[in-house]
Amino acid sequence: DAGVIQSPRHEVTEMGQEVTLRCKPISGHNSLFWYRQTMMRGLELLIYFNNNVPIDDSGMPEDRFSAKMPNASFSTLKIQPSEPRDSAVYFCASSFGQGLSYEQYFGPGTRLTVT
Amino acid sequence: AQTVTQSQPEMSVQEAETVTLSCTYDTSESDYYLFWYKQPPSRQMILVIRQEAYKQQNATENRFSVNFQKAAKSFSLKISDSQLGDAAMYFCAYRTSGEGGSEKLVFGKGTKLTVNP
Repeated sequence: DAGVIQSPRHEVTEMGQEVTLRCKPISGHNSLFWYRQTMMRGLELLIYFNNNVPIDDSGMPEDRFSAKMPNASFSTLKIQPSEPRDSAVYFCASSFGQGLSYEQYFGPGTRLTVT
Repeated sequence: AQTVTQSQPEMSVQEAETVTLSCTYDTSESDYYLFWYKQPPSRQMILVIRQEAYKQQNATENRFSVNFQKAAKSFSLKISDSQLGDAAMYFCAYRTSGEGGSEKLVFGKGTKLTVNP
């Protein structure tokens, strides 16, 4: 299996621009997670989906952030408009099962820089 | 809300020796899971070891083992026979296992491990 695929790996954009991050989970997995990693706040969950339905979006910082999962094999995280404080590494992870000691498989991350 | 604390921002160890990374957590739940993740410079997050709170036996994976003290809410990672490839950031993480509970992982701030040749 190719693992969790994220694109792009690096993104540099100017403040005010729209940014879209993409994720393809491992085939057969039914949960998908978006995490953000910064030096100040560490790793924190933004939102997660189960069977394509958003379950917990309490970590989404504000209305500028939105996430979708139109089908089981694709998800997007959009920031509009972007701000310098959004600069971070964004990870997508996927897993199968619930209520068991399962593993979340992480993608390689997207490093976002907003200038 | 659950919190995870890693009190050692950085640690170092000599190659072939043993090192222990500390982690404490705060929760009111009785059933949950604990994990250690490794993040090398490539930034890929790799699961090292996991522990179910209901299990008294400490988890072991080759050179990696944990010391799980449920009453003290402590979950330390021991790396034996350290190798240069063990150099990385290590994150402790918590997840509830309650029915209907969130699947999200709550991470500590991490410990940067340096392995000296």
